[in-house]
Amino acid sequence: DAGITQSPRHKVTETGTPVTLRCHQTENHRYMYWYRQDPGHGLRLIHYSYGVKDTDKGEVSDGYSVSRSKTEDFLLTLESATSSQTSVYFCAISGTGDREGYTFGSGTRLTVV
Amino acid sequence: GENVEQHPSTLSVQEGDSAVIKCTYSDSASNYFPWYKQELGKRPQLIIDIRSNVGEKKDQRIAVTLNKTAKHFSLHITETQPEDSAVYFCAASMSWGKLQFGAGTQVVVTP
Repeated sequence: DAGITQSPRHKVTETGTPVTLRCHQTENHRYMYWYRQDPGHGLRLIHYSYGVKDTDKGEVSDGYSVSRSKTEDFLLTLESATSSQTSVYFCAISGTGDREGYTFGSGTRLTVV
Repeated sequence: GENVEQHPSTLSVQEGDSAVIKCTYSDSASNYFPWYKQELGKRPQLIIDIRSNVGEKKDQRIAVTLNKTAKHFSLHITETQPEDSAVYFCAASMSWGKLQFGAGTQVVVTP
C-alpha cells in the first residue's frame, strides 16, 4: 500500500545488540502504532504515538523504546535484543483514531540469535 | 483494559458454504470494531468495520453483526471461495485509537 513503509524488511541480529526499526508514512496521519505478531497471540501493541514527541506504552512494552521526532517517522528500538523478541513487527497508521481502521506497513521479520 | 477473545482458532469450510467467526470484548466503552484479513506473508488489511451505533453491516459476501448488550460481534462470510483462505482478526477500540486484537482465526476453504 502507498503511504507507509517499514525498514528493514528482514533482520537477523545477535542477543544483546540494540536494534532500531523504522516506520515512515507520507499520509500526515497523527496516530502511529507498533505491534508485534506471534503465533497464537494475534497482534499485540508495543508502543503508540498520538503526535510528535507524544508516545505511550502498550501492553508489551518491556525491552522496547520509541521515538517520534517528525510526523512521518516512528522508530522502534530494542535496547538489548533477546530471543523472546524474535517476531514480526508491524507498524500501523490511523488518521482519526477510533473512527477508522489502521493501514499497516509490510512488516519487519526480526530474528534474534 | 480491553480483552478480546476470538473463536474458533481454525475453521475449515467447503467452497460455497458459509463461515462465521465470533469475538467477545470486555470494555463497554469500546465503540469501533474492525475486521482484518491477513494472507500468508502479507500485512493485515481492513475488510469491514462496524461502529457501536449500528447493529449490522454488509459488503457483498461479508457481513458483521454487533450485540452491544452481550458484548460480542461476528464476521459472516457467505459463498466462500478459495481466495477467502487467510487469517482473520477481530479488534475492538480503546483510547487514542488503539486497537485490541483477537488471537486470529485461520480459515481454510477447500474446493
